[in-house]
Amino acid sequence: QTVVTQEPSFSVSPGGTVTLTCDLSSGSVSTSYYPSWYQQTPGQAPRTLIYSTNTRSSGVPDRFSGSILGNKAALTITGAQADDESDYYCMLYMGSGIWVFGGGTKLTVL
Amino acid sequence: QITLKESGPTLVKPTQTLTLTCTFSGFSLNTGGEGVGWIRQPPGKALEWLALIYWDGDGRYSPSLKSRLTITKDTSKNQVVLTMTNMDPVDTATYFCGHRPPAVVHFDSWGQGTLVTVSS
Repeated sequence: QTVVTQEPSFSVSPGGTVTLTCDLSSGSVSTSYYPSWYQQTPGQAPRTLIYSTNTRSSGVPDRFSGSILGNKAALTITGAQADDESDYYCMLYMGSGIWVFGGGTKLTVL
Repeated sequence: QITLKESGPTLVKPTQTLTLTCTFSGFSLNTGGEGVGWIRQPPGKALEWLALIYWDGDGRYSPSLKSRLTITKDTSKNQVVLTMTNMDPVDTATYFCGHRPPAVVHFDSWGQGTLVTVSS
């Protein structure tokens, strides 16, 4: 069974930079998995931030960026703001119309 | 503007079958490449992808839940229906539907979600 792992929690200071990662139990994450990232605050639907590794969704501030770092997908927030405090989920496309979400990272800005 | 909205029962009993409907606007599932998926989230837990249906009616399912899921579409009503059999309390979750645009492999728009509780 495919497992996608994210840091359970992370903390960043206002104005700071943080990188969240997305790892795959069966090997390296590459662009072929078309990693996407979603932001979710409690009680709300997810919001699409990044797709196809590094493309920002419409209206997403450029302080959010996506990449492949080593063998993981990564979401970097540069100049974190208070309202970036949310849960962040990565999603990988496994091929054949199958997707898998990571376990999510709870980001605290303080 | 794309909108999606989930509807269905808020409470089901164990062993019952759940039927959820996603009603959408702003795109057509008659258009090549379009897709609508279902994702769920148990309270306090992570998102889980469940199923997706393509414009041509082809349905894809999470391997771990494939035996219990069926996804269908009614293009004339702009609706996608997900059925899940043999419901269990662990299936208590908020169920979201999402739009998968043509030629991409992510969800760009989401419904607000609907909470389904499984309890006797």
